[in-house]
Amino acid sequence: SQQGEEDPQALSIQEGENATMNCSYKTSINNLQWYRQNSGRGLVHLILIRSNEREKHSGRLRVTLDTSKKSSSLLITASRAADTASYFCATFSGGYNKLIFGAGTRLAVHP
Amino acid sequence: DSGVTQTPKHLITATGQRVTLRCSPRSGDLSVYWYQQSLDQGLQFLIQYYNGEERAKGNILERFSAQQFPDLHSELNLSSLELGDSALYFCASSPYPGSDEQYFGPGTRLTVT
Repeated sequence: SQQGEEDPQALSIQEGENATMNCSYKTSINNLQWYRQNSGRGLVHLILIRSNEREKHSGRLRVTLDTSKKSSSLLITASRAADTASYFCATFSGGYNKLIFGAGTRLAVHP
Repeated sequence: DSGVTQTPKHLITATGQRVTLRCSPRSGDLSVYWYQQSLDQGLQFLIQYYNGEERAKGNILERFSAQQFPDLHSELNLSSLELGDSALYFCASSPYPGSDEQYFGPGTRLTVT
């Protein structure tokens, strides 16, 4: 079963707008990661937030983590057409051996 | 480019056949992970190796097996293939099992006809 569940499943916005994706997970975590996947290609690591952090920034990305609600959000500001991709949250299970991925959010940014 | 290489990029084969997918980890990484991405199951962890030894197993079918060789490359063997095995198979690597980040290869797209 999947650890993380993303919401929404799909998101369509215009260039310049912000995109927010949410992720919920089931068990306690040490950290939560966000990955990006361009159509049918490999996954690219975007950002990692540790369980003792509430917010983290990386360029146009902002990630928040609420361990009490077992949820995280990824905000992409001033989106670009090149941000079109699927975004997955992932957490470790089994002692840092297995990455468990959510179902992903498909983001489409229109010029 | 993550530094992880996978071959082949695409594979088309018939039901009942056997295939081998190959992965070379990033230079210096000792741990290799295999994942399957399908439309109905999403991204699922299959198996992990560290320095030649199996470390963790996920939802890997008995028809599937893997190994990591002394030069640290890994192979995933899929046998008695079924239509439902059609998927993207990813390999990832990390320096050691406790690493925060895994580096993913471009994947092998397997189509079973």
